[in-house]
Amino acid sequence: QQPVQSPQAVILREGEDAVINCSSSKALYSVHWYRQKHGEAPVFLMILLKGGEQKGHDKISASFNEKKQQSSLYLTASQLSYSGTYFCGTEAGTDKLIFGTGTRLQVFP
Amino acid sequence: NAGVTQTPKFRVLKTGQSMTLLCAQDMNHEYMYWYRQDPGMGLRLIHYSVGEGTTAKGEVPDGYNVSRLKKQNFLLGLESAAPSQTSVYFCASSYSIYEQFFGPGTRLTVL
Repeated sequence: QQPVQSPQAVILREGEDAVINCSSSKALYSVHWYRQKHGEAPVFLMILLKGGEQKGHDKISASFNEKKQQSSLYLTASQLSYSGTYFCGTEAGTDKLIFGTGTRLQVFP
Repeated sequence: NAGVTQTPKFRVLKTGQSMTLLCAQDMNHEYMYWYRQDPGMGLRLIHYSVGEGTTAKGEVPDGYNVSRLKKQNFLLGLESAAPSQTSVYFCASSYSIYEQFFGPGTRLTVL
């Protein structure tokens, strides 16, 4: 069953912040985040393992609440290069990722 | 290193025709995956493999078959193409269940 991502779309001005949420009905071992620019392949951003850790990548960070099976991706001081579709992928100990339907992020000058 | 490559990049088929998509990786990864991507549906897993000679079904396996005879190659076959299989197909590989490296995709149209 696909994880649910919210919101489906976000429009930002440069410098604004955004939060993308990912929720699963299954107990999770890890959550993975990817970004895909239009016409390109998805690119890995980060992985969060069971344990409630928070990770960061430049001004993009994420958290994982394993009790609630939820993860959030935080984009701080957004840049034009952040535009794209963000996918969470959830892993439940089965050697495979199940991806959400994506959140489209557009950053304007 | 080429990373993950996919052949062909584009293909148009008629209903009922068959074809094979080839994915190759040069990173010595054990895990390989085939996804399809449709508007509004995200990436859906078709089949995957956790090592040479092994394959397993994903979320949407019907109408597809796969083979992993060599560690570096993962083939996706459509025996009798249907218009519902019109999609963009991505292959990915990884070292265990960690960062997946995606190929550039194959855009398939079935008429």
